[in-house]
Amino acid sequence: VKLQESGPGLVKPSETLALSCTVSGGSVSSADYYWSWIRQPPGKGLEWIGYIHASGQTHYNPSVESRITMSIDTSKNQFSLRLTSVTAADAAIYFCVRSVLEPGDRAFDYWGQGTMVTVSS
Amino acid sequence: EIVLTQSPGTLSLSPGERATLSCTASLSVGSRYLAWYQQKPGQAPRLLIYRGSTRATGIPDRFSGSGSGTDYTLTISRLEPEDFAVYHCQQYSSSLPWTFGQGTRLEIK
Repeated sequence: VKLQESGPGLVKPSETLALSCTVSGGSVSSADYYWSWIRQPPGKGLEWIGYIHASGQTHYNPSVESRITMSIDTSKNQFSLRLTSVTAADAAIYFCVRSVLEPGDRAFDYWGQGTMVTVSS
Repeated sequence: EIVLTQSPGTLSLSPGERATLSCTASLSVGSRYLAWYQQKPGQAPRLLIYRGSTRATGIPDRFSGSGSGTDYTLTISRLEPEDFAVYHCQQYSSSLPWTFGQGTRLEIK
């Protein structure tokens, strides 16, 4: 299984950050997985920001809940992130990640390489 | 939200030594739904341990996890040069949001 993030590396303040994650070797349509986004500001820790399931179920971190939308495109085997009204605090490496649906095994087992997003005018 | 606190912040050891890293949760992590990850510079984290003590596929047996409730430990029995990295704990219980500790940096002494 491989995950690959794509999207602009530079976003202006107050604009919308949009990233996609292309999955190979697995299917985003599978009912067995959650697909998440995790971010890491340079030199800092990891923050889970949300997941989506093939059923369309989503759950978002309250820290971004009012600004985030995640979606799945089964035709492209991708899932996506939109984060509106970005500020400097949203600058980070963004990772797309898979976790298994089974509660005990729900750790993040496959990660994309990450993509750096800078917020600047 | 369950807050995870890792200690120490930095651990300085030599190859061959034993490393003990701690992760303390602000609330009990149900059913030991606690994972450990290793992250090297410029790389994504790699899953080492899940369910508190189960090694992920391909992880050497010098890595072991233990604990329950609010207190968890990652032990590396004999440090290899490639083990020097940052280690993160994470809880994935039913108590969302899923959260990470701030990380422990394991550096060569």
